[in-house]
Amino acid sequence: DAMVIQNPRYQVTQFGKPVTLSCSQTLNHNVMYWYQQKSSQAPKLLFHYYDKDFNNEADTPDNFQSRRPNTSFCFLDIRSPGLGDAAMYLCATSAQSGTMSFGAGTRLSVL
Amino acid sequence: AQSVAQPEDQVNVAEGNPLTVKCTYSVSGNPYLFWYVQYPNRGLQFLLKYITGDNLVKGSYGFEAEFNKSQTSFHLKKPSALVSDSALYFCAVRAPMFSGGYNKLIFGAGTRLAVHP
Repeated sequence: DAMVIQNPRYQVTQFGKPVTLSCSQTLNHNVMYWYQQKSSQAPKLLFHYYDKDFNNEADTPDNFQSRRPNTSFCFLDIRSPGLGDAAMYLCATSAQSGTMSFGAGTRLSVL
Repeated sequence: AQSVAQPEDQVNVAEGNPLTVKCTYSVSGNPYLFWYVQYPNRGLQFLLKYITGDNLVKGSYGFEAEFNKSQTSFHLKKPSALVSDSALYFCAVRAPMFSGGYNKLIFGAGTRLAVHP
């Protein structure tokens, strides 16, 4: 089935050690998103790609970066994770219809 | 500015009883409204959406939602709750006027639904 796949499901990193989360999609959607979700709170949009165009939310810290080498893949890089960055990170895509499809998420722990 | 309010942190329902999860919105222009469900340690799953047309929208797993323009509400409902419906439910509104499928969703804070046997 076409879907949004996030790897790994669980990621543990050390304080200050760079970490990369990955997302792939088989839906061929042109828009991909990264959301941060803390502890049963509402997901918070970090940034999105419209094709290769990168769009950062105004309040996304510089510590968070993203790469999209092709339509199928998108990466979230956290350059120096802090304890406050421990969260669930959700990747999503959207179609022309506007309905978003979410991956299962990567839960990041920072020790 | 667009916003979504889910006034209840938690809703408790007995299995077999009807359930309602409330959502109100504030948006300029015509609203695009969504409900998503999240099970523990999972991503969000799409339930249903309202864009235009019939005010009663039917979605996945027997859920439906009623769009009420005068009350700016989009409450999620199900006639008979199941224990397996226990999850976190998010209402969302789409920020307007982005082309090409860009779909910035603004989420409510979420409502935890607990269905008891």
